[in-house]
Amino acid sequence: AQSVTQPDIHITVSEGASLELRCNYSYGATPYLFWYVQSPGQGLQLLLKYFSGDTLVQGIKGFEAEFKRSQSSFNLRKPSVHWSDAAEYFCAVGAGQAGTALIFGKGTTLSVSS
Amino acid sequence: DGGITQSPKYLFRKEGQNVTLSCEQNLNHDAMYWYRQDPGQGLRLIYYSQIVNDFQKGDIAEGYSVSREKKESFPLTVTSAQKNPTAFYLCASGETGLTDIQYFGAGTRLSVL
Repeated sequence: AQSVTQPDIHITVSEGASLELRCNYSYGATPYLFWYVQSPGQGLQLLLKYFSGDTLVQGIKGFEAEFKRSQSSFNLRKPSVHWSDAAEYFCAVGAGQAGTALIFGKGTTLSVSS
Repeated sequence: DGGITQSPKYLFRKEGQNVTLSCEQNLNHDAMYWYRQDPGQGLRLIYYSQIVNDFQKGDIAEGYSVSREKKESFPLTVTSAQKNPTAFYLCASGETGLTDIQYFGAGTRLSVL
């Protein structure tokens, strides 16, 4: 069965420092992978997606993620964190069949310290 | 502006009462979804619909019902059979014929009085 694991429940990063949020997935074929961000009391916003091709994908707000098939990982990175990046981040995997639901990880809450 | 509108933003349910959460999209998407979010649990799928007049149960459909009479609308009813309805409910939509990108509404927070 498909699954997504985000090992870190909560991470605190200093403003201006680099960030890496971990995501591991379990899926038999090449997955479709996503990172979403959620501010408190809000819906989810798509940060970036991986379908195929270049394993390093760029997203909005200066985020990037790298797909590593050998490690079944899709970690999210940002070189310099801003206070406005404080939010909850969700990794998700799709089956590659349009119209099917995504499987979400349980999320990582990012706090940014000054 | 195109998007997904969920209403109301906050909703309170009394014991034994059914309540309906609204979800409307003007993105012309075929597929629509309902997720439930609890703290530390991520998002869990309640129901989804790929086309009008058709829908499938997700992982936690018990105590919930949906309808899909129009492409733009996918209301969720939380019935009295759902004993623990307090949660944040998120509606999403996406295009069939493409990959699984989903776009989310701002959510409805349901509490029990």
